[in-house]
Amino acid sequence: GQQVMQIPQYQHVQEGEDFTTYCNSSTTLSNIQWYKQRPGGHPVFLIQLVKSGEVKKQKRLTFQFGEAKKNSSLHITATQTTDVGTYFCVSSGSARQLTFGSGTQLTVLP
Amino acid sequence: DAGVIQSPRHEVTEMGQEVTLRCKPISGHNSLFWYRQTMMRGLELLIYFNNNVPIDDSGMPEDRFSAKMPNASFSTLKIQPSEPRDSAVYFCASRGVGDTGELFFGEGSRLTVL
Repeated sequence: GQQVMQIPQYQHVQEGEDFTTYCNSSTTLSNIQWYKQRPGGHPVFLIQLVKSGEVKKQKRLTFQFGEAKKNSSLHITATQTTDVGTYFCVSSGSARQLTFGSGTQLTVLP
Repeated sequence: DAGVIQSPRHEVTEMGQEVTLRCKPISGHNSLFWYRQTMMRGLELLIYFNNNVPIDDSGMPEDRFSAKMPNASFSTLKIQPSEPRDSAVYFCASRGVGDTGELFFGEGSRLTVL
């Protein structure tokens, strides 16, 4: 799959603050997926973005796909302790293999 | 559906021993992935099967690793001989035919090689 860079690697926020993680690629992506992994758990699918400029919302989570389809972001409004975990963006290769980014580990302080 | 089932959940073995990890994908799914997760290297794709055929095994570390999918409901990942640097959590995931492309992960197999 295509390599994607994800930043930041770690983020500590106070409960109630917002959080954003970014995913960047040097090449155009066919689509991008986002997953969440709780500590000690396994990755769980959140969403897939396919269209240029696409924006999707899931309650307090907002996902964006860049106009050039080379970057994506996940924004969480008013974080809660249940948001703790590592968030991964995932790119799809030419054979539909899926490559995970390095992840952003979110800590929410109560 | 029971989801993706992996076994064993935990394995502790000594260097040089053979390790076999097993995976049962979700019934009806036609793609199966093996990933390895470590603190240093994150989640690495080891191998990807589609309709039981290996499509991309470029992530398999070396000849000590092998994976098979003899039928649509079973896959194995074998390490022989195992080394301490193979210690990691190994995840199996499956994906069905469809537009979402969502991966469903098993609980993982935590391997410790002493």
